[in-house]
Amino acid sequence: ETGVTQTPRHLVMGMTNKKSLKCEQHLGHNAMYWYKQSAKKPLELMFVYSLEERVENNSVPSRFSPECPNSSHLFLHLHTLQPEDSALYLCASSQDRSANTEAFFGQGTRLTVV
Amino acid sequence: GQSLEQPSEVTAVEGAIVQINCTYQTSGFYGLSWYQQHDGGAPTFLSYNALDGLEETGRFSSFLSRSDSYGYLLLQELQMKDSASYFCAVSDSWGKLQFGAGTQVVVTP
Repeated sequence: ETGVTQTPRHLVMGMTNKKSLKCEQHLGHNAMYWYKQSAKKPLELMFVYSLEERVENNSVPSRFSPECPNSSHLFLHLHTLQPEDSALYLCASSQDRSANTEAFFGQGTRLTVV
Repeated sequence: GQSLEQPSEVTAVEGAIVQINCTYQTSGFYGLSWYQQHDGGAPTFLSYNALDGLEETGRFSSFLSRSDSYGYLLLQELQMKDSASYFCAVSDSWGKLQFGAGTQVVVTP
């Protein structure tokens, strides 16, 4: 248990569906992240939020839309996804956005787009 | 941009020593981290090096050479529970963590 909780753990959605992934941390951290993990590929940084402000958007398609309503919660809204978007989506948090801060990861949401 | 290279898989027997190398190309390098991920689990932090040299934490040690853009993770006295994927990651001064593709460590009896 890392203190970062993601729901749902598994999600199957059609290409025309709209769904949201949720991430929650009560570690008092100020920075939160979304990563995409595909088989045999590096974890890809998608979005970075620091103090609820988005500070990084790594050229992610607009069909992925993040939301950070407060420092404890992070969402990833999904719409009109493609089969190649099937992957494990990991949320992480850290005390702040400084370089030597340990990141705590959630268990991830396994997304399958059909 | 940033890129990291690490071997895709390493196999070793219980009790052995394994070294996982990581070379990187990056701008604005600040430090090198290592994470462990078991199948179906979340990546968990193992170590962080900002300065050259060796950092030891129990059976695991991590090394960094900034001039060579190179680091390694050393796993000693391997145990079956060490079977997992190990990722190196570079961070910049903005706190961005960029990961390598991971090394699958397989420990055999």
